[in-house]
Amino acid sequence: NAGVTQTPKFQVLKTGQSMTLQCAQDMNHEYMSWYRQDPGMGLRLIHYSVGAGITDQGEVPNGYNVSRSTTEDFPLRLLSAAPSQTSVYFCASRIDRGHGELFFGEGSRLTVL
Amino acid sequence: KQEVTQIPAALSVPEGENLVLNCSFTDSAIYNLQWFRQDPGKGLTSLLLIQSSQREQTSGRLNASLDKSSGRSTLYIAASQPGDSATYLCAVSGGGADGLTFGKGTHLIIQP
Repeated sequence: NAGVTQTPKFQVLKTGQSMTLQCAQDMNHEYMSWYRQDPGMGLRLIHYSVGAGITDQGEVPNGYNVSRSTTEDFPLRLLSAAPSQTSVYFCASRIDRGHGELFFGEGSRLTVL
Repeated sequence: KQEVTQIPAALSVPEGENLVLNCSFTDSAIYNLQWFRQDPGKGLTSLLLIQSSQREQTSGRLNASLDKSSGRSTLYIAASQPGDSATYLCAVSGGGADGLTFGKGTHLIIQP
């Protein structure tokens, strides 16, 4: 099993550009989520999904969109990048909303100029 | 709102020492608690998961305890090694929050 796979690992954007961070898991997990990690702020939940076709907002959802068309994939879209979105983004999955270990991808480091 | 606090924020000890990392949370209505390790520039690796009905979990030199009623967990590392140097994060699931609520971590350095 590959676990949770994120792409790209690094990305530089200009303010106003859009992009999609990809996340895929091969563990048949129902629950998938996106976090951002910033110095001094820790990890904060952006969006999550409890199954295909179901998504919801976390603590810091503004400026981000998600969709969940399949169990395996949970892409994160930045619609119009801002310097405040410079961060390290982590995708994570677990068997369901409240149970089991949370498994993380390796992270995507995004810089917005 | 669930809040998770980790003490100390940083710790430096000589190799071979036993050490304890602390985690506290404000809402005891949790499903489980998970300890992670994060190496610089890397993702989070799960170390131990403790269900709310459990008191402790062990994996090799690591032992994590949970006292849900007092809102506390400890991670005990026995016979520390330089390879244990990393940031250790505690996270709780439930307590009124979606997803996991993370502490800010303990940055651990084991001196050879």
